Amino acid sequence: DAGVTQSPTHLIKTRGQQVTLRCSPKSGHDTVSWYQQALGQGPQFIFQYYEEEERQRGNFPDRFSGHQFPNYSSELNVNALLLGDSALYLCASCFNRVCTEAFFGQGTRLTVV
Amino acid sequence: AQSVTQLDSHVSVSEGTPVLLRCNYSSSYSPSLFWYVQHPNKGLQLLLKYTSAATLVKGINGFEAEFKKSETSFHLTKPSAHMSDAAEYFCVVSDRGQAGTALIFGKGTTLSVSS
Repeated sequence: DAGVTQSPTHLIKTRGQQVTLRCSPKSGHDTVSWYQQALGQGPQFIFQYYEEEERQRGNFPDRFSGHQFPNYSSELNVNALLLGDSALYLCASCFNRVCTEAFFGQGTRLTVV
Repeated sequence: AQSVTQLDSHVSVSEGTPVLLRCNYSSSYSPSLFWYVQHPNKGLQLLLKYTSAATLVKGINGFEAEFKKSETSFHLTKPSAHMSDAAEYFCVVSDRGQAGTALIFGKGTTLSVSS
């Protein structure tokens, strides 16, 4: 079992650009959530996808959007990148939205310059 | 709204001594609580969870936590620290929305273990 896999592991982008991050959930999981972890902080919830729809959203602007595919994998898109978007982006998967046991990927380190 | 407060940003212990990482929670309903650990350059790993069953919860690597409703606390303990326990620890509460669930993280406690 490969667990939760994320790609790429590291990424450098310029202000104003757009970025797409990818996540494959743990085998058997159908729910994917995305989190942003700034340096020295705890992860913050961005949104959760289930059955290809956004089901719950945290306090993030519309520049942050996502998608879930029929195979349960997911993408996080961020438009008009700001320096403050530099962070570790974590993907978590669980079963049926309940998430009493969520598994996290190792994250994508995004640096905006 | 659900929230957690980790009372110490940094805890330092000697190898072989007890570990105590403190967490208070705020919840409008019976909460689900978790402790996660994050080693440098690694993902988050679930240590243990409380979901309204036994109030003393045992986790991996000798860690345990006790849910105390009267004190709204969920402190993490380990009888004897090991060098490999040095990491960032997060107390987490589950926020159940109408259509999904978000995990709400504390700011984290850095555990240092000296020999």
